[in-house]
Amino acid sequence: DADVTQTPRNRITKTGKRIMLECSQTKGHDRMYWYRQDPGLGLQLIYYSFDVKDINKGEISDGYSVSRQAQAKFSLSLESAIPNQTALYFCATSDSTGMGGYTFGSGTRLTVV
Amino acid sequence: GESVGLHLPTLSVQEGDNSIINCAYSNSASDYFIWYKQESGKGPQFIIDIRSNMDKRQGQRVTVLLNKTVKHLSLQIAATQPGDSAVYFCAENILGWGDDKIIFGKGTRLHILP
Repeated sequence: DADVTQTPRNRITKTGKRIMLECSQTKGHDRMYWYRQDPGLGLQLIYYSFDVKDINKGEISDGYSVSRQAQAKFSLSLESAIPNQTALYFCATSDSTGMGGYTFGSGTRLTVV
Repeated sequence: GESVGLHLPTLSVQEGDNSIINCAYSNSASDYFIWYKQESGKGPQFIIDIRSNMDKRQGQRVTVLLNKTVKHLSLQIAATQPGDSAVYFCAENILGWGDDKIIFGKGTRLHILP
């Protein structure tokens, strides 16, 4: 089983719909992150959480919200999806030392039509 | 401001040759650097890291070189194979900063020519 699991892998949704992307991890890491990746661009940080009671906005949090339900679970929601939110979304985890970098999930490809 | 960038967006290398992927960083306070590999349809995977108290680190077929004087990082892949085709990202971090988050470069795509 993967260390970081994202569901769904692919999703097509309509403009204005609410959608949730889920992430779970078996690494035992405290820190979890949501990134967005667009063609030709680097990874952009949406939200991050350093523990269950900690939620922080990243560079591009507008239009997104998150919930850290447990140490192992971190979900990303688009309250009212719009076409420019079409992208590849990655969840990642890291331990509190920062060493070893991030462990990424396989990504969710989201298309908003 | 902080930035991590790559000199070349695309690199084509003959199979069997060595590949060198370069990266520049601008934050002289960064003390930890990582290279990631992202294959098509997958998430980035950790390849190798290096701390700022080192200038070279070797792994299996990969070597990372760090030049703090010019704030430059490179990834060398020996005897490049078809399976090395991917996008490679460098990333920088400041360990122990309390709010540390990795800053990623945009990536270099490595093409392996037969």
